[in-house]
Amino acid sequence: EVQLVESGGGLVQPGRSLRLSCEASGFTFDDFAMHWVRQAPGKGLEWVAGLSWNGDRLAYEDSVKGRFTISRDNARNLLFLQMDNLRDEDTALYYCTKAPGSTVNTQNHWFDPWGQGALVTVSS
Amino acid sequence: SYDLTQPLSVSVSPGQTAAVTCSGDKLQDRFVFWYQQKTGQSPVVVMYQDSKRPSGIPERFSGSSSGNTATLTIGGAQVVDEAYYYCQAWDGTTAVFGSGTKVTVL
Repeated sequence: EVQLVESGGGLVQPGRSLRLSCEASGFTFDDFAMHWVRQAPGKGLEWVAGLSWNGDRLAYEDSVKGRFTISRDNARNLLFLQMDNLRDEDTALYYCTKAPGSTVNTQNHWFDPWGQGALVTVSS
Repeated sequence: SYDLTQPLSVSVSPGQTAAVTCSGDKLQDRFVFWYQQKTGQSPVVVMYQDSKRPSGIPERFSGSSSGNTATLTIGGAQVVDEAYYYCQAWDGTTAVFGSGTKVTVL
């Protein structure tokens, strides 16, 4: 069974940093691109970032460019999201999710499955 | 930036057909994907590449796309189908989600 388990969420002050992790199991991790999607409290889904199977292709949503860094450790089946200079508006539940293929520059990929999410609260 | 527009809500009685629309500029040139999110749960894909149903998704779910509008149809909606439904497409290497539609079955 494919499983994605996020960790690393918490309460952080504006301007500070936080790193999320996603542990993957049940599939060959280094065959697939991975993504982060977030959901602010009571709001809809917002894609954050994506990373190809070997880490050489990345993509970011405009509001997180220069502040967030997506990365992966294929040897340990881990996906990361380093979040720097956090803002109030970054408060959200952050989901790790898997693409059906290895690349990020494609129009025909969907997100399946999704983890349970890691809650990030940015507040002073 | 690319926008996808969904109605805020759709309400049907059990057994009726619920149709959720998703509109975007030149949407016919892109694949559309649909996700179901029940209260307190993570999203689940219910339709991919416009009209393909993943294994495990009931046959009452179907998808179509024409012109600038994609539609997720729940034929014979059941109470268990109550959820938010989000459409998604790609704008280059950026994934874009619609704002979500609350489907109520009562």
